[in-house]
Amino acid sequence: NAGVTQTPKFRILKIGQSMTLQCTQDMNHNYMYWYRQDPGMGLKLIYYSVGAGITDKGEVPNGYNVSRSTTEDFPLRLELAAPSQTSVYFCASRTGGAIQPQHFGDGTRLSIL
Amino acid sequence: DAKTTQPTSMDCAEGRAANLPCNHSTISGNEYVYWYRQIHSQGPQYIIHGLKNNETNEMASLIITEDRKSSTLILPHATLRDTAVYYCIVTTGGGNKLTFGTGTQLKVEL
Repeated sequence: NAGVTQTPKFRILKIGQSMTLQCTQDMNHNYMYWYRQDPGMGLKLIYYSVGAGITDKGEVPNGYNVSRSTTEDFPLRLELAAPSQTSVYFCASRTGGAIQPQHFGDGTRLSIL
Repeated sequence: DAKTTQPTSMDCAEGRAANLPCNHSTISGNEYVYWYRQIHSQGPQYIIHGLKNNETNEMASLIITEDRKSSTLILPHATLRDTAVYYCIVTTGGGNKLTFGTGTQLKVEL
């Protein structure tokens, strides 16, 4: 029972490079989320999706893009990496129903140098 | 979503009950109280949620005051593995807006 799987676990990027953080879930959840967590801080919502083909901005979307072509996958794209994007990125998913909790992956630790 | 206030840190002896408080004095009638925890930078883990009645599951109990302005998460027999940051979140649903503050760092010691 894999749950929410994020790859890679660690990555170092140079300023200006691009990369895609992968997130996949095997629970057939419609809702998926991307958060970032800076050191000593709580999580901030970047983007979310309520189903395949539907995405929307969260609190801190600048510098990121997402797509949702399948129910299982919700990749997060950084086009021009900046030092301010150094953070830990968490993906989460949940089933339908307003009060259902979110289930999180183990995160991707990203450093931009 | 209503703002929450939690102590920055708490200590608990192993085997004792850990009682983590949360104030949410501006909570509205349709908002739930959720608790998550984060163990050493792993992904947050859902613990429990409730609306107005006390709730219990295999992990913890949630006690919500009658006026709903505060709540307490109870870990009945804390172990070293319960050392984590505990987040109290008030929201209309587990849905699209979970606002994580800085939480309470619980340290369970021998």
